[in-house]
Amino acid sequence: DQQVKQNSPSLSVQEGRISILNCDYTNSMFDYFLWYKKYPAEGPTFLISISSIKDKNEDGRFTVFLNKSAKHLSLHIVPSQPGDSAVYFCAASPVTGTASKLTFGTGTRLQVTL
Amino acid sequence: DTAVSQTPKYLVTQMGNDKSIKCEQNLGHDTMYWYKQDSKKFLKIMFSYNNKELIINETVPNRFSPKSPDKAHLNLHINSLELGDSAVYFCASSRPIEAQYFGPGTRLLVL
Repeated sequence: DQQVKQNSPSLSVQEGRISILNCDYTNSMFDYFLWYKKYPAEGPTFLISISSIKDKNEDGRFTVFLNKSAKHLSLHIVPSQPGDSAVYFCAASPVTGTASKLTFGTGTRLQVTL
Repeated sequence: DTAVSQTPKYLVTQMGNDKSIKCEQNLGHDTMYWYKQDSKKFLKIMFSYNNKELIINETVPNRFSPKSPDKAHLNLHINSLELGDSAVYFCASSRPIEAQYFGPGTRLLVL
C-alpha cells in the first residue's frame, strides 16, 4: 500500500520554464512534507519542506504548495535550469517524537532541456 | 567536510557471508537512520536511533542488526547475506522533526 504517490515517472521541461512536480498522499497522519533531489550514484539531497500548518513555502527558485484537503503537494521550480535535471522524491512523515519516519514516493525524473 | 559519510561505497560479496556498513555524521544530530533502496528505486526506512537508542525498527529480517556506538555513528551489520539483500543502503541523520540529511549510499551486490 503506497501511502505517497508520484504518478508521473518523468517530466521534460525547457530551460527557463516552470517545472511542476506533483505528489499525492493517503495517510491523514502525515503533517510534515519534504522534497529531495537525487543525482545518480549520490544520496538524496534535501530541497525544501513544509509543515501542515502552512500551504506554501518558498526558497529561492523552489516553492512547495500543500493542499491538505486534497492530500496533494507540488514542487514548483522557476526558472528551470539544466542542473535541475535529477530524480525528485516527495516524502512525508507524521510529526511524533524525536525521529521522522519518512515515507517516500517513487520519484519523478526531471529533464531540463536547452 | 562530508556531513554524512558511509563506507564502503561498493560492496560485492557471496551469499551467506556477513558484512558491515559504517555510517558517520558530523552534523551534531541526535538521530540517525538506515534506508534501503530496492531495485524498483523505492526508498524505505529500516531503522532509526536517537542518542544510541533504537526508536524505529521496521519489518526487517533479524539478520540485519544496527549498532550505534555513539550518537555520531550508526553501523549496519548483515548476517547470512541473501540475493534479495542486493540494494543501495542509505544512512541519514537529523535533528528532531527536521529534514534528514543522507549519505552517498552503499551499493551492495550479493552473488
